[in-house]
Amino acid sequence: KAGVTQTPRYLIKTRGQQVTLSCSPISGHRSVSWYQQTPGQGLQFLFEYFSETQRNKGNFPGRFSGRQFSNSRSEMNVSTLELGDSALYLCASSIVPQVYEQYFGPGTRLTVT
Amino acid sequence: AQKVTQAQTEISVVEKEDVTLDCVYETRDTTYYLFWYKQPPSGELVFLIRRNSFDEQNEISGRYSWNFQKSTSSFNFTITASQVVDSAVYFCALRIETSGSRLTFGEGTQLTVNP
Repeated sequence: KAGVTQTPRYLIKTRGQQVTLSCSPISGHRSVSWYQQTPGQGLQFLFEYFSETQRNKGNFPGRFSGRQFSNSRSEMNVSTLELGDSALYLCASSIVPQVYEQYFGPGTRLTVT
Repeated sequence: AQKVTQAQTEISVVEKEDVTLDCVYETRDTTYYLFWYKQPPSGELVFLIRRNSFDEQNEISGRYSWNFQKSTSSFNFTITASQVVDSAVYFCALRIETSGSRLTFGEGTQLTVNP
């Protein structure tokens, strides 16, 4: 069974631009969560989606948004990029929320210049 | 609020040594889940183990073992006879029953196993 896939793997953007990251969960998994990893703040929860609905949101500004499609694939968008948004963005999937473990993708490395 | 503390930022050992990674957690919830993940240089977080708050039984999986003690709010991870391939950042994480899939991570411990 294929794992969680994330595209693109690497991205370079300029301050003020916006970016969209994509995540395809493991087949049969319906819950998708997003995390931001930075050297200073560590791993921080962004949001969680299940059945195309946002169930949970972390403490991030409104510039960070996401959505989930009917096939469980998810996208996250960051508008008006800031230098501090440079990070590894990790997507995780699980069968359903609150059940068992989450499996993570390889991440998207975003660099904002 | 939940919190996970991994006091050891970096650990360096020589191959075949045993090493224990510490994890202390804080939560007021009575139902919660604890996890360990491994992050090799490639960046992907690899799931190692899940433990729920009602199961304090220790677990062994090959060279890996986990010690869960509710009395001290600790969930420590031991690698026996470490190998160079064990070099990675290891994260302890906590999920409470009412938070969906949301994980609270510790700061991580960078383990370096030298040949």
